[in-house]
Amino acid sequence: QVQLQESGPGLVKPSQTLSLTCTVSGGSISSEDYFWSWIRQQPGKGLEWIGYIYYSGNTYYNPSLKSRVTISVDTSMNHFSLKLNSVTAADTAIYYCARGERANFDYWGQGTLVTVSS
Amino acid sequence: QSVLTQPPSASGTPGQRVTISCSGSSPNIGSNYVYWYQQLPGTAPKLLIHRDNQRPSGVPDRFSGSKSGTSASLAISGLRSEDEAEYYCAAWDDRLNVVFGGGTRLTVL
Repeated sequence: QVQLQESGPGLVKPSQTLSLTCTVSGGSISSEDYFWSWIRQQPGKGLEWIGYIYYSGNTYYNPSLKSRVTISVDTSMNHFSLKLNSVTAADTAIYYCARGERANFDYWGQGTLVTVSS
Repeated sequence: QSVLTQPPSASGTPGQRVTISCSGSSPNIGSNYVYWYQQLPGTAPKLLIHRDNQRPSGVPDRFSGSKSGTSASLAISGLRSEDEAEYYCAAWDDRLNVVFGGGTRLTVL
């Protein structure tokens, strides 16, 4: 059974960079069959796709966030990471990592709340 | 404003059949598969329906999906109290984006 676990700071100051890691267990991130995604949910709001990455490093980003987002993968550690720079209060959200792409996300992490505040 | 449009709320009594609609356009629902997610309070979303009408292993057959043109629907039959949750539709948009509906909060009366 594939499991995903997000980790990283729960508090980030405005204008700084949000950094999260998603560790995958029970399966290999190097599988040719899957992409690995980040999705967020602002408090009390709906879901917003951030982007996804293939084990080879190919990435696809939400056009509205593309200028601020970097997703990377470390196959040796079986994890992938998210960096979102120049954050504002609007980036306060629960950040989920998930397996999948093109709206098909079959395994999700439990999510981690990141608050942007000074 | 979400790209896919869902009613904000729906309700039903135990045993009833409830449907939730999801309206999109040609580049998303009209051209790509629709997926449905169930989010119980305080938990991560769970894939409920994939490829318009397919249920992942473990999802009860009370849940079914359908699509016609640029709209899709999720039907829940034999409604149970544990079905009370937020439901989201999602699709790939050919403008290179994953788009979600705004979510529908289902209340079991």
